[in-house]
Amino acid sequence: DTGVSQNPRHKITKRGQNVTFRCDPISEHNRLYWYRQTLGQGPEFLTYFQNEAQLEKSRLLSDRFSAERPKGSFSTLEIQRTEQGDSAMYLCASSLGDPQNIQYFGAGTRLSVL
Amino acid sequence: QKEVEQDPGPLSVPEGAIVSLNCTYSNSAFQYFMWYRQYSRKGPELLMYTYSSGNKEDGRFTAQVDKSSKYISLFIRDSQPSDSATYLCALQTDSWGKLQFGAGTQVVVTP
Repeated sequence: DTGVSQNPRHKITKRGQNVTFRCDPISEHNRLYWYRQTLGQGPEFLTYFQNEAQLEKSRLLSDRFSAERPKGSFSTLEIQRTEQGDSAMYLCASSLGDPQNIQYFGAGTRLSVL
Repeated sequence: QKEVEQDPGPLSVPEGAIVSLNCTYSNSAFQYFMWYRQYSRKGPELLMYTYSSGNKEDGRFTAQVDKSSKYISLFIRDSQPSDSATYLCALQTDSWGKLQFGAGTQVVVTP
């Protein structure tokens, strides 16, 4: 399977703990996006990378959130001092950056903060 | 007011019926329009992509865009139980940027 891969699929943590998610994009895709989706809502944009450069961050991405893409390949999203409001599905998407820039999504990481 | 409005449903139709879905938007800067399908506990999957007003057809799916009315639609002909999913409209102001999603409409096709 050469699609977007996200790990873990499900993460349960206690309030106040730190968590880290990983996204492996489709090979050769230079753009990588993170979104957050809560129940009954559409995905909301968090941040976006062009290769290793983080080009845009949403106001949703508080200081407790940090994302990296160190070598322009996989990306990590870390949440520090988790809160119950962080419970959501975290989706990663990648694109080739061609004129259509179609974004292909992974299956997501479901975070449950107890 | 949200930038993209979409009726959350659920929309229940019998097998074989036409499913009609729509979104309205307020920002005239949106230039690219997509429809994604999302099954429960899965990531969104692209169904249709268009950037101009008018109709685009792909198999049983037809996407319609009316930029003057800021209104987009998706029609599914000959619906099947396997079409039961949440359908999300997604819009972009530029081709490289973030997607702005509607809330999604849950569709249930009953045999």
